Amino acid sequence: GQNIDQPTEMTATEGAIVQINCTYQTSGFNGLFWYQQHAGEAPTFLSYNVLDGLEEKGRFSSFLSRSKGYSYLLLKELQMKDSASYLCAVMDSNYQLIWGAGTKLIIKP
Amino acid sequence: TAGITQAPTSQILAAGRSMTLRCTQDMRHNAMYWYRQDLGLGLRLIHYSNTAGTTGKGEVPDGYSVSRANTDDFPLTLASAVPSQTSVYFCASSESTGELFFGEGSRLTVL
Repeated sequence: GQNIDQPTEMTATEGAIVQINCTYQTSGFNGLFWYQQHAGEAPTFLSYNVLDGLEEKGRFSSFLSRSKGYSYLLLKELQMKDSASYLCAVMDSNYQLIWGAGTKLIIKP
Repeated sequence: TAGITQAPTSQILAAGRSMTLRCTQDMRHNAMYWYRQDLGLGLRLIHYSNTAGTTGKGEVPDGYSVSRANTDDFPLTLASAVPSQTSVYFCASSESTGELFFGEGSRLTVL
């Protein structure tokens, strides 16, 4: 079956760095997405990786290793507004998105 | 900028009643999707439409139906609601297989 694994919850301190991991087993691979979802709101797009390596976008970076079925989202200089759930999703060979359950990130002052 | 509009925002529904969740987009995206989101689970695809006039079943289609009469509208109908359909429903759209744009969600409680 297809599976996306990410930690349920993480806690970090304001100003620090946090890495949220995502491992996947899917039928084919056509890219990996990260979305941010604040409580009670809709998910919003953060990043897309289809090739191995690191994609940097401001304070957020996303890494992909296709051979290991692994990705991480790196958040630097954490701010209180970064408290949210972070959703990992993989596009399979049928171009359908398979979603992880999300990682709830709690930022403490 | 509207993007995707869902209605209603929330609804309490008696079991056995029918309900239509509305979704309208103004981005002229070809692909539209309905997901449900439940605590502890990832987003699960209910139905999708790759273009106006076509629809397809997702991971959890039972008890739901959709139509796509035009590019902008993609309503989701529950013919006879059951308590297990209590969830938050998100409509989304995309250009081809790219980034998804989500509506604000519809919170449905079936009693």
